[in-house]
Order: sequence, then structure tokens, then C-alpha cells
Amino acid sequence: EAGVVQSPRYKIIEKKQPVAFWCNPISGHNTLYWYRQNLGQGPELLIRYENEEAVDDSQLPKDRFSAERLKGVDSTLKIQPAELGDSAVYLCASGRSTDTQYFGPGTRLTVL
Amino acid sequence: AQSVTQLDSHVSVSEGTPVLLRCNYSSSYSPSLFWYVQHPNKGLQLLLKYTSAATLVKGINGFEAEFKKSETSFHLTKPSAHMSDAAEYFCVVSTGTYKYIFGTGTRLKVLA
Repeated sequence: EAGVVQSPRYKIIEKKQPVAFWCNPISGHNTLYWYRQNLGQGPELLIRYENEEAVDDSQLPKDRFSAERLKGVDSTLKIQPAELGDSAVYLCASGRSTDTQYFGPGTRLTVL
Repeated sequence: AQSVTQLDSHVSVSEGTPVLLRCNYSSSYSPSLFWYVQHPNKGLQLLLKYTSAATLVKGINGFEAEFKKSETSFHLTKPSAHMSDAAEYFCVVSTGTYKYIFGTGTRLKVLA
């Protein structure tokens, strides 16, 4: 089966600009996760969806970050405006309401 | 509260020699435990998972891990390292609500 697809793979922007990341989960996976991975660290959860519903967004910085999962399939994560500290790899993962999560290749964001 | 500690941030082995990556966990529940591997500029790939079945878990690419409740450990091993094993390895504990807690990672270097 096809894996989790993310785009773009790389993004370079100036600070204060907006940016969006897209994720297409594995077909049939109802649970979708967005993580942020800072350099040299493990991923940290930003938000988890069960179908269309965001069931855990406690770690999402809501002043500048937003996410949506229309029709319970694809998802978009947005940052507006971006700050220097947002430079990181943004990972999307999906699963079938079981413990196992399958990760995409990530989007590497550089904010200048 | 759940937590996971990877005891070594860097491990170097010679090609053909055994690999040992150490992980200790803390969990209030019967945990699910995972090992993931991340090659440069790639997403995380599931190596293996423990979910309260057999304590010795076999994964892909010759890796295995043993769950030891008395020691709260879940160390990853491989009998013979290959150059292609050079990567970052993450130990993960799941809280039972599908939330992953990642370790800080162990960078494995394989010397020719």
C-alpha cells in the first residue's frame, strides 16, 4: 500500500510569512497526527485527528498554528505568521485507531 | 506519567559486530513500546513493536528487542551491523490513548 504522502518536502520562507503543509494519509487510516521535530530531538505531537475531529490539540500553538482535516482524509497544517523558532521538520503520521503510527517523509521548514 | 529514556545519544560499532541500543521506560499502564528508525532526510520507519504478547519481539532488517518488565527496559539489538544501519533510532512508549512519547534518539554510526 502507498505510504503517507507529504508536500512540499522542503520550504524556505522569510519570517512573518505564512506557510502550509499538506498530508495525505494511508488509505483507510482514520487517525492522523502532526508532529514537529526540532534538530537533534524526537518528534513532539502538535495535533491528533480522529476522522474529522481534532481530539488532541493541546500542544498546538493556536495563536499562529491552525490545522484542518476536511472529509476525514487529507490534512493541512498552517503557520501564520512564521517565526524563526518554527524552523523544524513537520511530520505527518496516520493509523487505524490502533497504537501503530506510520510516518510520512516530513517537510523541512527553514524560516529566515 | 509515561516517559522513555534512551541511555546513549551516540553509538559506534564496526560493521559485522553486534548492535545494542538501550531504552528504559516508565509507564503507569501496561505499555506499548516501539522502535523506529530515521535515515537522513527521511521519515520514521517502524522497526518493531511490543504490545503485551511475546516479550522477545522480532522486527525488520534483523533487529529484535526484548521487553523486560522487571528492568523497565526495551533494548534494541542486532547480531551483525551493516553500513545501511547507520541512522537515528527512536524508542517510543504509547500511553494507551494513541499518544506517543518519544525518546531523544540514538545516533548509530557503523564503521567500515
